[in-house]
Amino acid sequence: QVQLIQSGAEVKKPGASVKVSCKASGYTFTGYYIHWVRQAPGQGLEWMGWINPNSGGTNYAQKFQGRATMTRDTSISTAYMELSRLRSDDTAVYYCASYYGSGLGAFDFWGQGTLITVSS
Amino acid sequence: DIQMTQSPSSLSASVGDRVTIACRASQGISNYLAWYQQKPGKVPKLLIYAASTLQSGVPSRFSGSGSGTDFTLTISSLQPEDVATYYCQKYNSAPGTFGQGTRLEIK
Repeated sequence: QVQLIQSGAEVKKPGASVKVSCKASGYTFTGYYIHWVRQAPGQGLEWMGWINPNSGGTNYAQKFQGRATMTRDTSISTAYMELSRLRSDDTAVYYCASYYGSGLGAFDFWGQGTLITVSS
Repeated sequence: DIQMTQSPSSLSASVGDRVTIACRASQGISNYLAWYQQKPGKVPKLLIYAASTLQSGVPSRFSGSGSGTDFTLTISSLQPEDVATYYCQKYNSAPGTFGQGTRLEIK
């Protein structure tokens, strides 16, 4: 079955970087865009951007341009989201999500989420 | 960017009630709207896409309607397991903005 398995929780200091992975299985990894969505504690969902696993092309929400970098390794069907210059308000659960299509769509499968805590 | 505004922010209703949640886009998005349900501590779950198409496996008491700027999610007969936060999301073009969420509780 389709699965997105994310890396484990991390604690980072302000100013550091974090790289979250999202390993896909059960479908053709290069066929469907991977999106990243985050959720701060007690807050709503925030779309961060996408990567096209086939071409490596990306599209970032303006808020994250220059600080987020989405990449992929097709040999291991894994997408990555790296966020730099971390601040305390980057503390959140980060999800990867996808659907059977390209570009934006309604996400019918999600990773389990990765908690990133930014604290000194 | 297009903003997505949900109302109300929270809602309390009795089992068996008909519940309606609204989502308004600041500009027209045709029918490129999805609804998600998120239970505490869980991953969001897709309920409805294309404004009114029920995702496979979702109970038929959930329905969606609307086009352009105004959309609604309706639960025809509220069940205890429907306690959750509900989000709308636009996907006509980037960014894929979500509404702020509507927390639904049982009275």
